[in-house]
Amino acid sequence: DAGVIQSPRHEVTEMGQEVTLRCKPISGHNSLFWYRQTMMRGLELLIYFNNNVPIDDSGMPEDRFSAKMPNASFSTLKIQPSEPRDSAVYFCASSSYTPGQGANNEQFFGPGTRLTVL
Amino acid sequence: SQKIEQNSEALNIQEGKTATLTCNYTNYSPAYLQWYRQDPGRGPVFLLLIRENEKEKRKERLKVTFDTTLKQSLFHITASQPADSATYLCALVSAGGKLIFGQGTELSVKP
Repeated sequence: DAGVIQSPRHEVTEMGQEVTLRCKPISGHNSLFWYRQTMMRGLELLIYFNNNVPIDDSGMPEDRFSAKMPNASFSTLKIQPSEPRDSAVYFCASSSYTPGQGANNEQFFGPGTRLTVL
Repeated sequence: SQKIEQNSEALNIQEGKTATLTCNYTNYSPAYLQWYRQDPGRGPVFLLLIRENEKEKRKERLKVTFDTTLKQSLFHITASQPADSATYLCALVSAGGKLIFGQGTELSVKP
C-alpha cells in the first residue's frame, strides 16, 4: 500500500487566492482526519470524517475553510480566500475506526502539504 | 479546558542512555493514550498505544507507562541511539476516535 497520499506537497500562493489540498486515504480505512501544524500551535485537528460523513468540524478555524469527502478514496480541504496566517503544514491521516469497539485507532499520516500564503 | 503538556524544552542525551519523555494532561479522562514519532519534513508515525487499565506497555526498546491518578504518561527509550533523534508526540484518544496531540518533545541523542 502506498500509504496516505497528499497533493500538492508544497503550495505557495498569494493572499486572497483559493487553495485546494487533496488527500487519498489508505484503502479500507473508514476514518479520515485533516490536521494543521504550526510551531506556535502544534498539531491541531481541523475536521474528521467517518464513512465519508463529517463527524466533528469544531477545529475548522473559520468559514473560509471547508472540507469534503465525496467518496471513500478522496477528500479535499479548501481555503477561500487564503490569508498569510493560514501558512502551515497540513496533514491528512486515515484510520480504521469502529465506534463503540474500543479500536486501536492508530492513525496513518500522509507526508503533508506545506502551504505558504504571501 | 482540556490541556496536554509535554516537556517544552528539547531533551539532549548521550547515546546508550535512557531517554524519558513526559506527557501530562488535565481536565480529561482518556481511555487510551498514544505516542507518535515525527521526523523533520514528515508526518507523525504511530509507535505505541496504552489503555487506561494498563500500567505499562513495551515494544522493543520502548516503554510507556500510564498513571490515570497522576494524569501522566512516561515514554522511555532505553539504550538510545542517534537514530532515535526526532520529535515525540503524545496524543489522547477521545470519544469518536478523535486524537488530541501535545506540542511534542524534541529528542537529540548524541554519539
